[in-house]
Amino acid sequence: DAGVIQSPRHEVTEMGQEVTLRCKPISGHDYLFWYRQTMMRGLELLIYFNNNVPIDDSGMPEDRFSAKMPNASFSTLKIQPSEPRDSAVYFCASSPEAAPETQYFGPGTRLLVL
Amino acid sequence: GNSVTQMEGPVTLSEEAFLTINCTYTATGYPSLFWYVQYPGEGLQLLLKATKADDKGSNKGFEATYRKETTSFHLEKGSVQVSDSAVYFCALSDQRGSQGNLIFGKGTKLSVKP
Repeated sequence: DAGVIQSPRHEVTEMGQEVTLRCKPISGHDYLFWYRQTMMRGLELLIYFNNNVPIDDSGMPEDRFSAKMPNASFSTLKIQPSEPRDSAVYFCASSPEAAPETQYFGPGTRLLVL
Repeated sequence: GNSVTQMEGPVTLSEEAFLTINCTYTATGYPSLFWYVQYPGEGLQLLLKATKADDKGSNKGFEATYRKETTSFHLEKGSVQVSDSAVYFCALSDQRGSQGNLIFGKGTKLSVKP
């Protein structure tokens, strides 16, 4: 089975531009998580969904960040407008209903905002 | 609030050396404890877990025992290999009503030299 798929793998953009990160979770998984990883702050949970419904978005840094999950096989994380401090690796992870803490991570999107 | 503290790296060992990476936690209730591993350029993978006090999680020669009395979950391996070079993250389940939410430590980088 395919694992969690993220696209793009790398993104370079200029400050002020809109950035959209995409994630396809493992089929059958009911939980989807978005994380951000930086050297300074480590791994931070941004938001997570259960059955396509956002459950906890307290980690979303500010209104410039938004996430959607229109169906069970697709989610997006959007940053508008982007800023240099948003530069990080963004991970998507999914997990099954029976073991929500056993998370399967995608390879990540490395974002650089100039 | 709940938190995880890991020993700071990097840790550099020779092949076949004994490995210990310390992890302590602060939590209310009875969280589950996890070790995740991140190989270069990849997302995190679950290495092992323990769900209650005195449980021992094990996988690929790695072990960790859930010690409630010392609030610790130290990772050990008797003989490391070059292929074990990675970043190791200790995590606990945040049971404040947000099922599936994990709190990660900052990670410990392990380098194994041949």
